[in-house]
Amino acid sequence: GIQVEQSPPDLILQEGANSTLRCNFSDSVNNLQWFHQNPWGQLINLFYIPSGTKQNGRLSATTVATERYSLLYISSSQTTDSGVYFCAVGYAGGTSYGKLTFGQGTILTVHP
Amino acid sequence: DAGVIQSPRHEVTEMGQEVTLRCKPISGHDYLFWYRQTMMRGLELLIYFNNNVPIDDSGMPEDRFSAKMPNASFSTLKIQPSEPRDSAVYFCASSLPLNYGYTFGSGTRLTVV
Repeated sequence: GIQVEQSPPDLILQEGANSTLRCNFSDSVNNLQWFHQNPWGQLINLFYIPSGTKQNGRLSATTVATERYSLLYISSSQTTDSGVYFCAVGYAGGTSYGKLTFGQGTILTVHP
Repeated sequence: DAGVIQSPRHEVTEMGQEVTLRCKPISGHDYLFWYRQTMMRGLELLIYFNNNVPIDDSGMPEDRFSAKMPNASFSTLKIQPSEPRDSAVYFCASSLPLNYGYTFGSGTRLTVV
């Protein structure tokens, strides 16, 4: 199956700093999503981004499908950004839409 | 919309007992997924449904696990008999078809003692 590797595994920032999280995947995909799991365990969908660039407030994401990687940018980080960021990938075709494979996540800690 | 609703939020049960987890997807979403999260294995897809029909159950760990979706607004994941290694957080998620992201429920934390 598809292998998903996220880096770095851990990241510690001071409030206001910027960061870049990376997701590498081993095979062609046309379904890629980024999630944030907050300290209470809730999984929030940040982006559906199989290719191209999207922005939502202080967060943006870029996926270069041909080179099999995606980046999540967090600018002017806040303590509420703390948690685990997951990248999930899959190939959507026929009945294969649902098979998203999750990476192991990047644990982000933002200090005030 | 209230989002994806899971119940119970926490479940503690004794080994050998039957456990039933419940999920109500977002109205109009055609896809429903059951995931399990553990420290060792991360997030794993157990089974997913499209229009109430199970499409892929290859992630279901063994015959003790079963899932049903009797209608578009309700799904259950059942473990019988439960074992301590089943302890995990079980998430349900739903989605529109293609080009949309998942919406996850709040999860059920299952502890089997």
